[in-house]
Amino acid sequence: DAMVIQNPRYQVTQFGKPVTLSCSQTLNHNVMYWYQQKSSQAPKLLFHYYDKDFNNEADTPDNFQSRRPNTSFCFLDIRSPGLGDAAMYLCATSGQLNTEAFFGQGTRLTVV
Amino acid sequence: DAKTTQPPSMDCAEGRAANLPCNHSTISGNEYVYWYRQIHSQGPQYIIHGLKNNETNEMASLIITEDRKSSTLILPHATLRDTAVYYCIVRVDYGQNFVFGPGTRLSVLP
Repeated sequence: DAMVIQNPRYQVTQFGKPVTLSCSQTLNHNVMYWYQQKSSQAPKLLFHYYDKDFNNEADTPDNFQSRRPNTSFCFLDIRSPGLGDAAMYLCATSGQLNTEAFFGQGTRLTVV
Repeated sequence: DAKTTQPPSMDCAEGRAANLPCNHSTISGNEYVYWYRQIHSQGPQYIIHGLKNNETNEMASLIITEDRKSSTLILPHATLRDTAVYYCIVRVDYGQNFVFGPGTRLSVLP
């Protein structure tokens, strides 16, 4: 059974039109992460939530925002997508000490 | 920044053991070594992790050197479905992020 679910799997958005990607988890984990992965590159951490505490990576553009209304759900908002934001966006969760992170299958974003 | 270095690519014959090295010479005493893999267009999949001792599970074995400065992931009988990018990550326990380096692209050849 899928434990970290990302919807949709594929998203096409217009240049400059706000878009929201969603992630849900059934693991009740405290931490939720968002990664951006461009073609042939490793996943790059954008930000994460530790419970309700939001932690932004220093080089994450302001164009990227996130919301976590409850433990199970987390959203990635891209306020004005540019062509360079086309990528796979990965959501992951992790729990208590020394446990692995569980990744969703990702949402592939295309900007036209 | 990633704290690990891995060869960019490796080949392995189907049915043979795949040994993927990782160098983490600056690892500190409380950092764990994690291995993930990513098959094309899928999310990364957890394989195994360890601190000091060697670990084995149904997918792989993890051998960590005594000085903990390097480790090797062993897939004992590689299959074509093991073709993927393999990432080695060092991480302190809870509260630290998973930072990915470039990884090793493993190609299992028939």
